[in-house]
Amino acid sequence: DQQVKQNSPSLSVQEGRISILNCDYTNSMFDYFLWYKKYPAEGPTFLISISSIKDKNEDGRFTVFLNKSAKHLSLHIVPSQPGDSAVYFCAASAVRAAINYGGSQGNLIFGKGTKLSVKP
Amino acid sequence: GAGVSQSPSNKVTEKGKDVELRCDPISGHTALYWYRQSLGQGLEFLIYFQGNSAPDKSGLPSDRFSAERTGGSVSTLTIQRTQQEDSAVYLCASSLLMTGGYQPQHFGDGTRLSIL
Repeated sequence: DQQVKQNSPSLSVQEGRISILNCDYTNSMFDYFLWYKKYPAEGPTFLISISSIKDKNEDGRFTVFLNKSAKHLSLHIVPSQPGDSAVYFCAASAVRAAINYGGSQGNLIFGKGTKLSVKP
Repeated sequence: GAGVSQSPSNKVTEKGKDVELRCDPISGHTALYWYRQSLGQGLEFLIYFQGNSAPDKSGLPSDRFSAERTGGSVSTLTIQRTQQEDSAVYLCASSLLMTGGYQPQHFGDGTRLSIL
C-alpha cells in the first residue's frame, strides 16, 4: 500500500498562473517532507522541504504547505514559468524513528509524481 | 562542485547475466542511498549506507541484489542472474549526516537498466 500518494498524474497551467501540486500521506511517523523536481533523463533535484513542526515554508516562487491533521501537503508555484514543466515528486521521511533506530535521517518514501506542464 | 556520479548511464544485458552499477557520491557525504524507479512508478528505496555499513537493507527486493561501499565513498549495486522485472532506472543519492538540521538527499542521473 502506498504511504505517499500523488493522486493527480498530470497538471496543466498557463504561464504566470499558480500551480498547486498535492500530496497525501498515511504514515503518522513521517516528520519531514520534501519536494523534488525531475526532468527527463536526469535525477530528481531537491526543491524545498518542511518539517512537521511547521505548516508553511517558502523559498522564492515555491511554497510548501503542510496540514498534519489531514495528512496533506501541497506545493505552490507562483508565478508558474515554462521552465517549471517537469515531474514533481513528493517524498516523506520518518527522521526521528530512523535516528532512534541508530541510523541517520532515514530513507525517503516517494509518491508516483505529478507531471506539470506550464503553457506559454 | 561535482554532484553524484553514476555509471554506466545505460546498460542493456541479457536475462540471467550479472550487472554492477556504480555510484560516486558527493565528496564528504557520509550517507548514501540506492533507489530504483520502474516505469510509471515512484522511486522505491533499496538500501542505505552510513559510512561503509548498511543499517537498512530492507528495500532490497531479493537475495539477487547486493550492495557494498568501500572507503566511505564509492558504492556498487550488484544484481545477479538478472530478470526482466529488474529493468528500471537505478538512482543513487547522497547526503551529509543530519547535524543541526535535516540534510536533503542529492541524486545522480541514474543508470537505465534494460534486461532483454
